[in-house]
Parts: sequence; C-alpha cells; structure tokens
Amino acid sequence: QVQLQESGPGLVKPSETLSLTCAVSGYSISRGYFWGWMRQPPGKGLEWIGHIDHSGNTYYNPSLKSRVTISVDTSKNQFSLKVTSVTAADTAVYYCARRAYAHNYFDPWGQGTLVTVSS
Amino acid sequence: EIVLTQSPGTLSLSPGERATLSCRASQSVTSSYLAWYQQKPGQAPRLLIYGASSRATGIPDRFSGSGSGTDFTLTISRLEPEDFAVYYCQQYGSSPYSFGQGTKLAIK
Repeated sequence: QVQLQESGPGLVKPSETLSLTCAVSGYSISRGYFWGWMRQPPGKGLEWIGHIDHSGNTYYNPSLKSRVTISVDTSKNQFSLKVTSVTAADTAVYYCARRAYAHNYFDPWGQGTLVTVSS
Repeated sequence: EIVLTQSPGTLSLSPGERATLSCRASQSVTSSYLAWYQQKPGQAPRLLIYGASSRATGIPDRFSGSGSGTDFTLTISRLEPEDFAVYYCQQYGSSPYSFGQGTKLAIK
C-alpha cells in the first residue's frame, strides 16, 4: 500500500524559499508513475502545483512555474518542492500525491502539511 | 484555463436522502477527464470517481458520476453519516489541471 508523508518547516518568512519533502513508502519511485504537489489555502479550494517522474521530467502550473521547482531523489524514495519568493498568498496546506498512471488525477494523497508565510 | 464551478455551495440533507452535486466547466472537458474527491475536516482528499463515471477502488456503489462536455454530476444515492464532507471536482484533460471550489454536504 502506497503511503506518502510531507515534511518541512511550518513557518517561512516572506521573500524566502519554501522547501518541502514527500517521503514515499510501499512503492519505489524508480518503478514509475508521476508524483505531484497540490496546495489548499485556508478555507479555500485546491490548486495543482506540478508533478515529476522518476527521470526528472516535470510539469508545472503556468501560474507558479517561475517560482516552483520539483525534484526527485530515487535513492531516498522521495521528491521535493521548492517555492521561491514566497508571500502570504503562499500560505496553505501542501499535499503530495501519486498521479494516476497515464492520467492527471491523483491517488493516494499524503496527509498534508500547513506552511504559513509570516515574518 | 478551464474554470470549474460547483453548485450548490452548501447542500443540507438528512441521512438516507439522495444527494446531487453539480460541476460545470467553462469549456468542454477533454474526453470526460473529470474526477471527484471527498475531503473531511483535517484530512487529505480521497479519490471517488475518475473518467467522469468510474468508481475508484473501494468506493461504495452508492457513489456515482455522470456527465460529459461541460456538465458533470456526482450522485450519492442514500446518504450515510460518513458521507457528510466537502466534495471537489477536478478536470485533468487540459493543463493547468483545475479544481472546483467545492460543495459542502452538511447534515440537515
């Protein structure tokens, strides 16, 4: 059974870089699939950020592309998210998830981690 | 970008009743690439439906999806107490892959 777990700082200062990691268990990332990130601002809906495969091929939401980098570390069976130049608008619960085979919906998801941007 | 509009914003029903949730797209969704998720407070979204009408693994058959083009529906035939949650639709045919704003299913 595939399980995903996000980790990283819960508080980031404005203009700094948000960094999160998603550890995958129960499945080897190097076997395949894409692995993605979504976020949900408090009280709001969901936003797709982007996803990556084991070879490092990435797809990003155009609205975030200039500030986002997703990377993969198959040796640690994890993938990561970096968002640069953060503002209060980046405050959200960040989720990692596995993209379905050949389709861009996601299942399963990690439990999510709240990142607050504040000085 | 495809904008998904869900209605109603809140739906108040009683256990045992039938729930009908709507998701309307600003333009046609490619190949009915439309998914539905359920989210309970403090939990991650859970995939219910993909391809507009296919149930995900382990999802009870009281959940069904239908629709094509720009109009999609999630139906819960007989509400169980555990079904009261927020439901999101997502289109995954055209990047950026967008979500609706959600419908809250509340106990009446």
